Amino acid sequence: QVQLQESGPGLVKPSETLSLTCTVSGGSIRSYYWTWIRQSPGKGLEWIGYVYNSGTTNYNPSLKSRVIMSVDMSKNQFSLNLSSVTAADTALYYCASGATKLDIWGQGTMVTVSS
Amino acid sequence: DIVLTQSPGTLSLSPGETATLSCRSSQSVSSNYLAWYQQKPGQAPRLLIYGASSRATGIPDRFSGGGSGTDFTLTISRLEPEDFAVYYCQQYVNSPRTFGQGTKVEIK
Repeated sequence: QVQLQESGPGLVKPSETLSLTCTVSGGSIRSYYWTWIRQSPGKGLEWIGYVYNSGTTNYNPSLKSRVIMSVDMSKNQFSLNLSSVTAADTALYYCASGATKLDIWGQGTMVTVSS
Repeated sequence: DIVLTQSPGTLSLSPGETATLSCRSSQSVSSNYLAWYQQKPGQAPRLLIYGASSRATGIPDRFSGGGSGTDFTLTISRLEPEDFAVYYCQQYVNSPRTFGQGTKVEIK
């Protein structure tokens, strides 16, 4: 049974870069799509984008200029970098499997943007 | 972007009753590329339904999805105590993928 676990700093300063990692256990990260989603009270569930192990990505246009996703097959991890963060990026961040329906979700990690 | 509008915002029902949740899309969701998720407090969303009507692995048959085009429904028959939660629809026909704002099913 594949499981996902997000990790990263819970507090990021404004204008800095938010960096999160999702570790895949119980299965291989190869040949599958991996998605990041965030959830905040003000905006509900927001799709950030997905990455494939070939480096193929698809980002939400609303965040595209600030987002980079990548896959590290040696560590069975994929990552999210979101630059120039503001308070509006404060949210619970989830990683999930799939590019269409999202089959398996991590438990989520809360990120607060504050000085 | 495709906007998904869920109704009602809150549904107050008793265990054993049937819940009918609606998800309306601003554009046609071709090939029924629509999913439903359940989220309980403090937990991540869980996939219930995909392809508008196919149950995900391990989902009880009291959960059923239907609809096509721009109008979709999630029906929960014989509500169990563990079914009281928030439900979201999501389209994956277009990018960006989008979610509805959620329907809360609460105990009456």
